[in-house]
Amino acid sequence: ELKVEQNPLFLSMQEGKNYTIYCNYSTTSDRLYWYRQDPGKSLESLFVLLSNGAVKQEGRLMASLDTKARLSTLHITAAVHDLSATYFCAVDIAGTYKYIFGTGTRLKVLA
Amino acid sequence: EPEVTQTPSHQVTQMGQEVILRCVPISNHLYFYWYRQILGQKVEFLVSFYNNEISEKSEIFDDQFSVERPDGSNFTLKIRSTKLEDSAMYFCASVSGPFGQGTRLTVV
Repeated sequence: ELKVEQNPLFLSMQEGKNYTIYCNYSTTSDRLYWYRQDPGKSLESLFVLLSNGAVKQEGRLMASLDTKARLSTLHITAAVHDLSATYFCAVDIAGTYKYIFGTGTRLKVLA
Repeated sequence: EPEVTQTPSHQVTQMGQEVILRCVPISNHLYFYWYRQILGQKVEFLVSFYNNEISEKSEIFDDQFSVERPDGSNFTLKIRSTKLEDSAMYFCASVSGPFGQGTRLTVV
C-alpha cells in the first residue's frame, strides 16, 4: 500500500525565516503534487512535479522532486504571515490519477 | 480556468438520513473522483469513476455509498444512511485536479 508521509506535521516559524517541508512516499511514482489549504477551504494547487529532478518556484515557495529517493521538498524562503496554511503533498498511482495524500503540514508564520 | 463546482457548500443532516452531494466536473474530462477529509485530518480517496462506471473504490466506500452520473454532466455521491462519522468535507475532482470547493457534511 502506498504511504505518503510529511514532516514536520506542525511548523511554527518567524517571519523572514527559511524552512523546508519534506514529503516521503513508499512506492514508485513520477508525479507529485503540492497543495495549499486554508481553514475550511478547498485545495489550491501549488506545484505539479512530473519527473525526477523537477524543480518549480513560485514566489517564496520552491518545490523539488527526487524520484530515486522518493522524496519531495517544499522550501519556504523568507516566510511571511500570508503563507500560514496547511500544505499537503500528494502522489498519484500510475495510470489512475488517484491521489494519495500526505499527512499535511500545518504552517504558522508568526509576525 | 475551468472549475469543478460542488453543491451544496454545507449540508446538515440527521443520522440515518440519505444525502446526495453534487458535482459538475470539467467538461470533456472522463475520470472523476470523490475524496473525503475529516476535520483536521488528511484527504482520503473514496472512489474513482470512468466511463460511467466505478473504476476503483477505497475501503471507506462501503455499501452505504454510491456514485452516479445521472445526466452526463452532474456527478453525484450518495450516502444512504448517514452516520456521525460521515461528517467531513467531501471534494470532487477531475483527472489531475482541480478540486471543487467542497461540501461540508455535518451529521447530527
